[in-house]
Amino acid sequence: ETGVTQTPRHLVMGMTNKKSLKCEQHLGHNAMYWYKQSAKKPLELMFVYNFKEQTENNSVPSRFSPECPNSSHLFLHLHTLQPEDSALYLCASSQSGGRGSSYNSPLHFGNGTRLTVT
Amino acid sequence: SQELEQSPQSLIVQEGKNLTINCTSSKTLYGLYWYKQKYGEGLIFLMMLQKGGEEKSHEKITAKLDEKKQQSSLHITASQPSHAGIYLCGADMLRETSGSRLTFGEGTQLTVNP
Repeated sequence: ETGVTQTPRHLVMGMTNKKSLKCEQHLGHNAMYWYKQSAKKPLELMFVYNFKEQTENNSVPSRFSPECPNSSHLFLHLHTLQPEDSALYLCASSQSGGRGSSYNSPLHFGNGTRLTVT
Repeated sequence: SQELEQSPQSLIVQEGKNLTINCTSSKTLYGLYWYKQKYGEGLIFLMMLQKGGEEKSHEKITAKLDEKKQQSSLHITASQPSHAGIYLCGADMLRETSGSRLTFGEGTQLTVNP
């Protein structure tokens, strides 16, 4: 029980499909993140939401579209992906001290969604 | 080159042996986080270090952040098969982000043979 739940665990999609990844955190945190983990590469930060507001978009292509309806839920909408987008997509959450505060608890990660684009 | 270098990339040890994994940065680290990952799963938080010279232990795992805050080491004593996995270091490279913009190393794959 990690406190951060991601669905689905595995997803295979064609390049013309539209799908969504879902993340839910049960830890009462106020910040949520999407990371991408590709083989032989370090984790890459994609998006950050603090208090439901997107505070970072790390030069991610527009075919990835995040949505954060509330502080417990985070989605990643996918459309017209490329085969090189195949990776493990990890969601994480943390407790942020808010604006003007430098405090942030360690990230808690979900088990990820293994995405394969064919 | 990577901002955060981990060494070794992989490590195979016999059960009961001690081992050390290193994480090195060319910049000052404002926070250093160690995680463990089983293949294809999420990252499990192990320890966080923020002060130069700081050392923390949990069961048989000890992590240190050097005085200059540019290198950290993770030491496992008397390794067991349950220690096997990928160990990743994540670092705050900016003073103001405090854990919310981590840069990760590529990870160290640890295998412990019974």
